Amino acid sequence: DAGITQSPRHKVTETGTPVTLRCHQTENHRYMYWYRQDPGHGLRLIHYSYGVKDTDKGEVSDGYSVSRSKTEDFLLTLESATSSQTSVYFCAIGSAGSSGANVLTFGAGSRLTVL
Amino acid sequence: LAKTTQPISMDSYEGQEVNITCSHNNIATNDYITWYQQFPSQGPRFIIQGYKTKVTNEVASLFIPADRKSSTLSLPRVSLSDTAVYYCLVGDGYSSASKIIFGSGTRLSIRP
Repeated sequence: DAGITQSPRHKVTETGTPVTLRCHQTENHRYMYWYRQDPGHGLRLIHYSYGVKDTDKGEVSDGYSVSRSKTEDFLLTLESATSSQTSVYFCAIGSAGSSGANVLTFGAGSRLTVL
Repeated sequence: LAKTTQPISMDSYEGQEVNITCSHNNIATNDYITWYQQFPSQGPRFIIQGYKTKVTNEVASLFIPADRKSSTLSLPRVSLSDTAVYYCLVGDGYSSASKIIFGSGTRLSIRP
């Protein structure tokens, strides 16, 4: 997707292991977001960033941490993965639409399975 | 952020016009209305955004009445490929770009 890459795209891990998902953008946008989506459900905001080293919690931040040491990368870490964190994780970047308000562009998603 | 309410699901047939209405009674003066489309196993994709009256692009039209307490996404002559989940979001520009919260969306099913 236009200027946004998520890695890994698929990962299987075991309960209790740490996992880091990476979101990389080439658009130099200030705003970046991590969402999770469970089967048959909508997207839930985990964390977001409004600049380098500036991050804040979303709706479901427990068990997740993030870091943004440079504009282009936004990392999502599960310190100790649990089965309830099995999900598809989407990263998004925010940019101004033609109206001037924020428009999100999403990555392809990272499918995480915690056994 | 203004809360939105939209139908959980809708069904229609190929070639029909589909209108999905979103209620946002607490919309603020600075809020814009944005619609996204999501196909299975993909991230949501931006469709259209507007502030008032009518906005049209190559994909859809967005109708916003004067009181802005609701909005209607109109998809002309739908096809099977329009089967997706559609999300309505309300929020102002970058001052509240922080928490962009998605609702449950409307699951649109198009039949032959």
